[in-house]
Amino acid sequence: KNEVEQSPQNLTAQEGEFITINCSYSVGISALHWLQQHPGGGIVSLFMLSSGKKKHGRLIATINIQEKHSSLHITASHPRDSAVYICAVSGGSNYKLTFGKGTLLTVNP
Amino acid sequence: ETGVTQSPTHLIKTRGQQVTLRCSSQSGHNTVSWYQQALGQGPQFIFQYYREEENGRGNFPPRFSGLQFPNYSSELNVNALELDDSALYLCASSLEQEIYGYTFGSGTRLTVV
Repeated sequence: KNEVEQSPQNLTAQEGEFITINCSYSVGISALHWLQQHPGGGIVSLFMLSSGKKKHGRLIATINIQEKHSSLHITASHPRDSAVYICAVSGGSNYKLTFGKGTLLTVNP
Repeated sequence: ETGVTQSPTHLIKTRGQQVTLRCSSQSGHNTVSWYQQALGQGPQFIFQYYREEENGRGNFPPRFSGLQFPNYSSELNVNALELDDSALYLCASSLEQEIYGYTFGSGTRLTVV
């Protein structure tokens, strides 16, 4: 079993829909990161959180430390949101990131 | 402020050769982490450099080595390349390990033939 599990693996939505991507982890962490990766590889950090909830524009990230679970929500989805969304957790003495396999999101117009 | 710059963007090497990948960290960042991402997989931690010292290593053989310079830029060296080394290599920089999160480069796509 991977230390970081994401669901779903693939998600197709219509423009305007509310989207939720889930992440569960099995290890102790210092923080949880949500990242966005576009074709070609570059990764953009969306959120880093260790408790509660964060919001940036149409993106909302929540974390429940007791349940070891986090969700990434996208409100009013748009085709430009199409990307791979990756959950990663950091911990240990060097805060290295352990990544989930990612969720491929496709938003159709 | 500049972001993280990786070079080259693409590289093709022959099995058995050696390769050096470079990463310029974001201005003010003193920590660089390297990750390997195989096709269809999440990135895997190779190692981290903090203030010019190796500060943790993942499950990679010794032929993967690194270096961090006084300006905090970094190199990843891979000797005796194998076909399975074909992957996207990502560099991420941060300040004081992770206090303010990570900034990623666009990666170097290495193909070993």
